[in-house]
Amino acid sequence: GESVGLHLPTLSVQEGDNSIINCAYSNSASDYFIWYKQESGKGPQFIIDIRSNMDKRQGQRVTVLLNKTVKHLSLQIAATQPGDSAVYFCAENSPGNQFYFGTGTSLTVIP
Amino acid sequence: KAGVTQTPRYLIKTRGQQVTLSCSPISGHRSVSWYQQTPGQGLQFLFEYFSETQRNKGNFPGRFSGRQFSNSRSEMNVSTLELGDSALYLCASRAGGFTGELFFGEGSRLTVL
Repeated sequence: GESVGLHLPTLSVQEGDNSIINCAYSNSASDYFIWYKQESGKGPQFIIDIRSNMDKRQGQRVTVLLNKTVKHLSLQIAATQPGDSAVYFCAENSPGNQFYFGTGTSLTVIP
Repeated sequence: KAGVTQTPRYLIKTRGQQVTLSCSPISGHRSVSWYQQTPGQGLQFLFEYFSETQRNKGNFPGRFSGRQFSNSRSEMNVSTLELGDSALYLCASRAGGFTGELFFGEGSRLTVL
């Protein structure tokens, strides 16, 4: 089966610094990827997505990078704020299949 | 427009009982997926329904079942509950097809005693 894994289970950053959360995926046929943010007691919330025909996509304070050669995905959060503290999941999707999620990285922003 | 709605939000059951969880997708969305989330684990895929048909299924025992109605609302059922079934059950909807963002509900937290 497929697996989506995260390199670090926890990450602590100072407020104002940039955060980088990494994700490895195993299915080379995956062509769509999403980053989700989950706050305590809530369901996952969409942050940003990227398709396999792109290497980089930017949103508001967030950037997702996709390296298909090494099957690696990263989420960069600029000027991290306390409200960014949450668990972040990457998810991969290949045609005809369901989404597979990683175990998540817990981001803690230190004021 | 309204998001994905799950009911109940919290429930407590005892071993051996059964439970039914409900999910109302975003209006117009025809695909509903269910996930189980436990502490320290990622989201484990249960099944996906599209136009009342199950089109993908995860690796869960037959005690876990689901269905989708003609209005796209979905239910999942867990029979003969075990302690290990305690989890947050998340429902997600998307417009259709096999592409596009998943929109999640807030989940139903099940505790099995």
